[in-house]
Amino acid sequence: GPKVLQIPSHQIIDMGQMVTLNCDPVSNHLYFYWYKQILGQQMEFLVNFYNGKVMEKSKLFKDQFSVERPDGSYFTLKIQPTALEDSAVYFCASSSRDRNSDYTFGSGTRLLVI
Amino acid sequence: GDSVTQTEGLVTLTKGLPVMLNCTYQTTYSPFLFWYVQHLNEAPKLLLKSSTDNKRTEHQGFYATLHKSSSSFHLQKSSVQLSDSALYFCAFPGGYKVVFGSGTRLLVSP
Repeated sequence: GPKVLQIPSHQIIDMGQMVTLNCDPVSNHLYFYWYKQILGQQMEFLVNFYNGKVMEKSKLFKDQFSVERPDGSYFTLKIQPTALEDSAVYFCASSSRDRNSDYTFGSGTRLLVI
Repeated sequence: GDSVTQTEGLVTLTKGLPVMLNCTYQTTYSPFLFWYVQHLNEAPKLLLKSSTDNKRTEHQGFYATLHKSSSSFHLQKSSVQLSDSALYFCAFPGGYKVVFGSGTRLLVSP
């Protein structure tokens, strides 16, 4: 079936540096999401994005976080500067419509901040 | 506010036994419930979904029935297999996002 591609699969970065996580969503999907998962625990919502705008974000989406999708290219999550507590697996997801629509998830980017 | 509760953090079972993973929810929206399954080092994948009250939904041997009267959507299987070992999330749409429960890890032993 259709897939969401996430690049890179793993990233190790020094605390304070900037990191960009890339997501290539399913081609006809319109809604994009980032979730954070620590140590195989709960999937925690960060942000969603539609029509070039953030529709909703959680308390976890700190000021150091930003998202964009310039001209239909990758949907990106940027963290600048990174902190130790940002270490987690970040999952991108996309869906064809918002409410009542199931997601297609990417395989995740494992981010380690040292 | 909107929330979903999974009471078991870990369920361990022997192969061939039945299982039920609990899920209850609280929402102001008309409920549309999901179960996602996540195997180790993989992405979560949709297992089941339902919005119809009192109707059983089945997929890959798993089944669940949405009960709006009790705000529940428990996941069941009559005979678990080793390959069912995974993390299971109950979830529902809330606003512009899907809200996930804390997850239940199912470990099936030989």
